[in-house]
Amino acid sequence: DTGVSQNPRHKITKRGQNVTFRCDPISEHNRLYWYRQTLGQGPEFLTYFQNEAQLEKSRLLSDRFSAERPKGSFSTLEIQRTEQGDSAMYLCASSDRGRVIATNEKLFFGSGTQLSVL
Amino acid sequence: DQQVKQNSPSLSVQEGRISILNCDYTNSMFDYFLWYKKYPAEGPTFLISISSIKDKNEDGRFTVFLNKSAKHLSLHIVPSQPGDSAVYFCAANYGGSQGNLIFGKGTKLSVKP
Repeated sequence: DTGVSQNPRHKITKRGQNVTFRCDPISEHNRLYWYRQTLGQGPEFLTYFQNEAQLEKSRLLSDRFSAERPKGSFSTLEIQRTEQGDSAMYLCASSDRGRVIATNEKLFFGSGTQLSVL
Repeated sequence: DQQVKQNSPSLSVQEGRISILNCDYTNSMFDYFLWYKKYPAEGPTFLISISSIKDKNEDGRFTVFLNKSAKHLSLHIVPSQPGDSAVYFCAANYGGSQGNLIFGKGTKLSVKP
C-alpha cells in the first residue's frame, strides 16, 4: 500500500490549453474525492465517486471540468480551456466507506498536482 | 460564507509547551469534526477527529475539545515538538454531505526549539 498517488506533481500550461491529472487511490478504497486548494485557503470539495459512479459535484466544478473513474480504480480530472483562475493545487483523496452515509469518514490525501496557468 | 473558520493564520510556540489551535463553525448540522496536518509539498494527513456526541477525544499528545453550544473546537498539542511545525486544518461534515469535508483556511504552527 503506497498511499494515494497523483500525477503529475506539477503542471505548467498556457491559458486555453487542456490539462488532465491522474489519481490512483489506495487499493480497494471505493470512494475517491477531488479537492482544490488555492494559496491561503483550505481544500475545497469538487466532486466524489463511489466506485465508478460520480455521486456529487460542487458548484465550483464548472462545465470546463470533467472527472471520470471508469473502472472504479484510478480517476482522471480534465480541465478544458484553462484559465488563470484555475491555478491551484488539485488534491485527490480516497476512503473505504461503503454506501451507508456515515459521518466518521477519514480521507487519505495524495500530495496533489500543482497547476500553473500562464 | 465560511462555515468553518480558523481565525489565527499563525501560531508560534516554544518546544515543550502547549499549542492550542482554535476553530469555529457556523453550521449547526455539522456532526463530525476532524483535524488535518499539512507539511509543505505534501497532502493533508489525518490527525484526530471527534463526533458531536462527545466533547473530548485524545490520541497521545493530541486532544480535541468540542463545545457545541459555542460552535467551537480546539486542538491541544502537549508537549509541542519541532516536528509538529506544519499547517493545521480544521474540517467538518454532516451525514447528508456524504463525506464532503468543509475545511477552514488553516493555522500555521511553528514550534521553536
